[in-house]
Amino acid sequence: AQSVTQLDSQVPVFEEAPVELRCNYSSSVSVYLFWYVQYPNQGLQLLLKYLSGSTLVKGINGFEAEFNKSQTSFHLRKPSVHISDTAEYFCAVSAQGGSEKLVFGKGTKLTVNP
Amino acid sequence: GAGVSQTPSNKVTEKGKYVELRCDPISGHTALYWYRQSLGQGPEFLIYFQGTGAADDSGLPNDRFFAVRPEGSVSTLKIQRTERGDSAVYLCASSSYRGETQYFGPGTRLLVL
Repeated sequence: AQSVTQLDSQVPVFEEAPVELRCNYSSSVSVYLFWYVQYPNQGLQLLLKYLSGSTLVKGINGFEAEFNKSQTSFHLRKPSVHISDTAEYFCAVSAQGGSEKLVFGKGTKLTVNP
Repeated sequence: GAGVSQTPSNKVTEKGKYVELRCDPISGHTALYWYRQSLGQGPEFLIYFQGTGAADDSGLPNDRFFAVRPEGSVSTLKIQRTERGDSAVYLCASSSYRGETQYFGPGTRLLVL
């Protein structure tokens, strides 16, 4: 079975500051890794995913994440945030070769203040 | 093109009643997933369909929950004898094939009084 831990439930930052949202996972098999974003009153939207290859993954809206197998982490970063980045961010994993069901963390609420 | 749609957007029911939640996936997507998101939690997997068949129903919490996808497109999640603990947002996602990106609908917010 897989599990995901998002270490921060809430992250407040000022506009144009850098941000890192932390994600650690546990799995006995190889996994795929994802970050989803949920804006208020909207559905989940994929930010980026790691399937294989380069451990640095770039996604939409200037976000990127780095897969670290030894530390079982997949932290999300953005060098300069905007007010519009205020949302809930979810890290998720799925087991390679399975049904590809997603196992989600509890989410991190990012609030960008002016 | 049209995304995943779910109806109703909100459903209020009384304890003990039966409810049906509908999901219309993106046209042509063969894989369909149901998740449940309780307040303050991330989504939790319920069931996965590949075509018409339920390929993985390991997340269904008990036998009050059942889902169908008779023609390999629209899916209905059915909950019998609802309980207050069933209150949550029920999310549907579809993908073009197992392993491809899952696209989520806006969810159905279920409240059991």
